[in-house]
Amino acid sequence: AQSVTQPDIHITVSEGASLELRCNYSYGATPYLFWYVQSPGQGLQLLLKYFSGDTLVQGIKGFEAEFKRSQSSFNLRKPSVHWSDAAEYFCAVGFNAGGTSYGKLTFGQGTILTVHP
Amino acid sequence: DSGVTQTPKHLITATGQRVTLRCSPRSGDLSVYWYQQSLDQGLQFLIQYYNGEERAKGNILERFSAQQFPDLHSELNLSSLELGDSALYFCASSPGGGFIDEQYFGPGTRLTVT
Repeated sequence: AQSVTQPDIHITVSEGASLELRCNYSYGATPYLFWYVQSPGQGLQLLLKYFSGDTLVQGIKGFEAEFKRSQSSFNLRKPSVHWSDAAEYFCAVGFNAGGTSYGKLTFGQGTILTVHP
Repeated sequence: DSGVTQTPKHLITATGQRVTLRCSPRSGDLSVYWYQQSLDQGLQFLIQYYNGEERAKGNILERFSAQQFPDLHSELNLSSLELGDSALYFCASSPGGGFIDEQYFGPGTRLTVT
């Protein structure tokens, strides 16, 4: 079955430190890959997405993610974390359903990021 | 502000009752999606409508139903409510019906079933 895994439930980093959030998926073909951020009391906001082409994608707020087909991973990175990055981060995957254009996303369980001053 | 509005913000109701959640998509968006976020199940896709037609279905219970109206707003109806239905329900919208289009999420409706 298709699935998305975020192994880290909670990550704590110091402000200014680098960040990497992990995401792994299980699927027979290349899926559509997304990272969303959810601030407390807010809806989700798209950070970046990967459909094809260059495996390193740049997003908003200084985030980037790298698609590694051999590892079925799409990890999110940021070189220097700011206190305002504290939020919950969700990896999401869209699995193509035989040519029909659907919008169904499967989300990971989320990773809560805490930033220490 | 994503441009997607959801009403009400909070809803408290008793088991066995029926509620309706409303979503207004961004201007010009044809697709509406409904998601349920709970501590137990995480964030789960329920259903997608595109220009009034059901496009994709996820883990939506039979007690739940949705529709998209000609003005493109959508309603999610939850009936015979159980304690486990307590969750945050998000609506999202996108211009088209596929993954290419970014989904813009509303602020959510928090449902508490007592």
